[in-house]
Amino acid sequence: DVKVTQSSRYLVKRTGEKVFLECVQDMDHENMFWYRQDPGLGLRLIYFSYDVKMKEKGDIPEGYSVSREKKERFSLILESASTNQTSMYLCASPPASSSTDTQYFGPGTRLTVL
Amino acid sequence: QKEVEQNSGPLSVPEGAIASLNCTYSDRGSQSFFWYRQYSGKSPELIMFIYSNGDKEDGRFTAQLNKASQYVSLLIRDSQPSDSATYLCAVKSDGSSNTGKLIFGQGTTLQVKP
Repeated sequence: DVKVTQSSRYLVKRTGEKVFLECVQDMDHENMFWYRQDPGLGLRLIYFSYDVKMKEKGDIPEGYSVSREKKERFSLILESASTNQTSMYLCASPPASSSTDTQYFGPGTRLTVL
Repeated sequence: QKEVEQNSGPLSVPEGAIASLNCTYSDRGSQSFFWYRQYSGKSPELIMFIYSNGDKEDGRFTAQLNKASQYVSLLIRDSQPSDSATYLCAVKSDGSSNTGKLIFGQGTTLQVKP
């Protein structure tokens, strides 16, 4: 049974704080993704990683960075949180190299920046 | 830019009716197509995938793919109030088969009224 976990379901931070969102997968997958989801805007890709220490920008990387030191863990970092980063953050991990494999999502972290 | 388009809805159907959800995509190189269901406050969960032209049935759900028209749809027969959710269409292009990267539509909200 596949499993993607995220460190927090709900998080409240203040403007300017450095925020870490953690994602762990137990499926030995190479690829991991971070999205944010906002009403009316759908799922937007922030960053993804295709191997340890490898990362690639998605569609909206500004204001974010990522870290992948171990295969199972992919961290999203908000260097200086701002109110416009209030959102639902979703981590996902797909098996690679198969056209029919899909992405499994973690439960999500709802972040509020005050 | 590769795009996936869905009507945001809400699509309202009476209980027991057939709900038809539609999705168009712009990249002719797209190979795999996925439908996710997302309940309010929850993360997306996969309900169907399809990669060949035609229909694919799974219980009350049928996915339909027409690559010539760049069109994929999801039919839900005998709709139930528990089917009320947002349905996300996602597409994987041939170029992203190694990364597992998906492009998501904005989702269609379905309301099934008792």
